[in-house]
Amino acid sequence: SQQGEEDPQALSIQEGENATMNCSYKTSINNLQWYRQNSGRGLVHLILIRSNEREKHSGRLRVTLDTSKKSSSLLITASRAADTASYFCATDDRGSTLGRLYFGRGTQLTVWP
Amino acid sequence: ETGVTQSPTHLIKTRGQQVTLRCSSQSGHNTVSWYQQALGQGPQFIFQYYREEENGRGNFPPRFSGLQFPNYSSELNVNALELDDSALYLCASRRDLNQQFFGPGTRLTVL
Repeated sequence: SQQGEEDPQALSIQEGENATMNCSYKTSINNLQWYRQNSGRGLVHLILIRSNEREKHSGRLRVTLDTSKKSSSLLITASRAADTASYFCATDDRGSTLGRLYFGRGTQLTVWP
Repeated sequence: ETGVTQSPTHLIKTRGQQVTLRCSSQSGHNTVSWYQQALGQGPQFIFQYYREEENGRGNFPPRFSGLQFPNYSSELNVNALELDDSALYLCASRRDLNQQFFGPGTRLTVL
């Protein structure tokens, strides 16, 4: 089964509102990453947070990580219609040196103008 | 742009046929991974090549095979295509265990 699971599966908001997506995972990790995907195209890397970090910012993005709860959240502030996309969290496996990524099913974000 | 390219963009095949998908890695990257993303799902790890050797495989049957060339470009081959092989196939390249960079994907439709 997939390591990461995003919640909610779908999110619909108005421009200017904030969007929060959550991710839960099952095993110990080295880092957690968030990706964005537009309409079934390639994955765009948004941000990486390491297991010893609790919060990270990049522009309008804010990511938190709680390793005790095995969960992460992605906050997009002041959303825009162009933020409409699917968002995936991806984890690695601390017990492996392979570096493979485990993805959840993603959250489909729709931002209405 | 990630510097990772894939070809073709779209492909239509029929059941039982064979297909080859190609990936050109970003310069300096020695590791390439392939992922399958079915509609409405997240990407699933197929396998990974490091310096031309397969060094990891996900839960995919042997009819999924690959190659990595000295210039670190890569191929994914799928034999005896099945309807469930219809998906977006993504390759990702990186140097060692650094960040992975994904290509735009190849959309495969099996009829």
